[in-house]
Amino acid sequence: DAMVIQNPRYQVTQFGKPVTLSCSQTLNHNVMYWYQQKSSQAPKLLFHYYDKDFNNEADTPDNFQSRRPNTSFCFLDIRSPGLGDAAMYLCATSRTGTGFNSPLHFGNGTRLTVT
Amino acid sequence: QQQVKQSPQSLIVQKGGISIINCAYENTAFDYFPWYQQFPGKGPALLIAIRPDVSEKKEGRFTISFNKSAKQFSLHIMDSQPGDSATYFCAATYNNAGNMLTFGGGTRLMVKP
Repeated sequence: DAMVIQNPRYQVTQFGKPVTLSCSQTLNHNVMYWYQQKSSQAPKLLFHYYDKDFNNEADTPDNFQSRRPNTSFCFLDIRSPGLGDAAMYLCATSRTGTGFNSPLHFGNGTRLTVT
Repeated sequence: QQQVKQSPQSLIVQKGGISIINCAYENTAFDYFPWYQQFPGKGPALLIAIRPDVSEKKEGRFTISFNKSAKQFSLHIMDSQPGDSATYFCAATYNNAGNMLTFGGGTRLMVKP
């Protein structure tokens, strides 16, 4: 089945220790997104790639970076995780933008714990 | 203008009952309104979606009702089942490349056996 795969499912890192989360997709979608979701909250968009074009949300901290080396893979790098960065990180894809003919497909997320 | 307000935050329904979740929006340019269902430990999954040119869309036990003049839309789950217990998010966007979804705050639904 075509899907969005996130690894690892659970990640524990130490305060200030860089961490990388990964996402791969078999849907061949043009757009890949990273969302942060804290407990009992809606997903919050951090940034997205439309093909190779990177689009950062205005309120995404500089501590968060992303790489998309090819169509299938996208990485989220947290340079110096703080306790407030503990959350579920969701990767999503869409064929073009988000719309009726281009819905979002989410992975099952990586739950990040910062100790 | 970009906000989507969702209510209630939590909902408890008996098995077989009707679950109703409401959303309201401000931006009249929105033209795509999806609902996502999220189970604990999983990513959100598209449940059903509607465009503003229709007032209702039904898929199985799930129905979206859309009121364009009131700028409101709602999800109705008929014959609610314990397996429907999840968090539901409404969302809205423009049906155009490059535009992002605006999510509502979510509703945690519990269906009691």
